[in-house]
Amino acid sequence: ETGVTQTPRHLVMGMTNKKSLKCEQHLGHNAMYWYKQSAKKPLELMFVYSLEERVENNSVPSRFSPECPNSSHLFLHLHTLQPEDSALYLCASSQSPPGQGGQTQYFGPGTRLLVL
Amino acid sequence: AQSVTQPDIHITVSEGASLELRCNYSYGATPYLFWYVQSPGQGLQLLLKYFSGDTLVQGIKGFEAEFKRSQSSFNLRKPSVHWSDAAEYFCAYEGAQKLVFGQGTRLTINP
Repeated sequence: ETGVTQTPRHLVMGMTNKKSLKCEQHLGHNAMYWYKQSAKKPLELMFVYSLEERVENNSVPSRFSPECPNSSHLFLHLHTLQPEDSALYLCASSQSPPGQGGQTQYFGPGTRLLVL
Repeated sequence: AQSVTQPDIHITVSEGASLELRCNYSYGATPYLFWYVQSPGQGLQLLLKYFSGDTLVQGIKGFEAEFKRSQSSFNLRKPSVHWSDAAEYFCAYEGAQKLVFGQGTRLTINP
């Protein structure tokens, strides 16, 4: 496979469930990102990892827990979510983190999450 | 505050007509600017980017964009749209720590 892949593509979960979203990039990049895309809102950056270290955390609730075990994989662990967390969750990667001179981010297809 | 504004939430054009999507940014330094497209159920795909040099940049699928520093704008254009161009379009710039996205413009194509 090429590019950025995400699994699952669709997920329905109850508020008491625990689930994980997975992202994998096949581009040899060193930075990875989680975004949340809700209807009628701009994309919200949630987390940034550079060389497996978290470098940005935009005041995301603790019910979202990221994990980056290596530069190719990124997870988003979910627990006790709320209905307002229903959204499209996008993963992206870039050669280096933002702020290092015009880094193009490459996006995966997203996971459509519905919290009941 | 740093921001990106896409004034048009929704635009409808006829197939074969020309297209211009507006983007204005608020950022002190010379920005790195991007246009992305998102088809339904898909992630974002890069159309083009401006880093420096020629202010008219060419992208994929026949799109181009022009950087105008005096107007703080980076408008996206296409001379003749195709039905497959129906999608959501996002303008973004690279700030110090992150990409800042506009709200997006949804493009509908009339046959």
